[in-house]
Amino acid sequence: DTEVTQTPKHLVMGMTNKKSLKCEQHMGHRAMYWYKQKAKKPPELMFVYSYEKLSINESVPSRFSPECPNSSLLNLHLHALQPEDSALYLCASSQEGLSTLYNEQFFGPGTRLTVL
Amino acid sequence: KNEVEQSPQNLTAQEGEFITINCSYSVGISALHWLQQHPGGGIVSLFMLSSGKKKHGRLIATINIQEKHSSLHITASHPRDSAVYICAVRGDTGKLIFGQGTTLQVKP
Repeated sequence: DTEVTQTPKHLVMGMTNKKSLKCEQHMGHRAMYWYKQKAKKPPELMFVYSYEKLSINESVPSRFSPECPNSSLLNLHLHALQPEDSALYLCASSQEGLSTLYNEQFFGPGTRLTVL
Repeated sequence: KNEVEQSPQNLTAQEGEFITINCSYSVGISALHWLQQHPGGGIVSLFMLSSGKKKHGRLIATINIQEKHSSLHITASHPRDSAVYICAVRGDTGKLIFGQGTTLQVKP
């Protein structure tokens, strides 16, 4: 299995809702990432988990809360989002963490989030 | 000035044409990635390079470390190659630094 899966594919939520995005990989990778991508822009790194521990938080607002229950699974909990948070949220994984030389990232298909 | 610059920003080609997309970077890197993203879709990793040249099917990627430059070539282009191609470099922190992307449209 060489893919990263993400659910749901699309999500529409109100500003008072609580929802979660899910990412899964079964490649034995020990690092997982959340990126946010606005239309016609490159992805922006949000969080990095390495060996199930949060290693990087790129000053992301607390309305985004990541969780790594195990080495295969990464969640992003959403609460009280704003319309400007509407974007494509991409998950990625790599064999080892950022400090390792061989660090090809494999991306998932993304979740298209719309905040009303 | 962005640390990773791609050219051209937009490219339209006729089916069968040879295509080149360029990437220049200004930081020290340990690897350079070429990524493909179809409209509304996720990102697919095409190549990871640290030196020389790699080939996969109709795609060829080259890198010149001294000149801090990489190129992605597509031979015998096809409409299904229409996508955004993104150059990303892995800098000292290990994080990916992305270029702005090149939007390619291949017309039949």
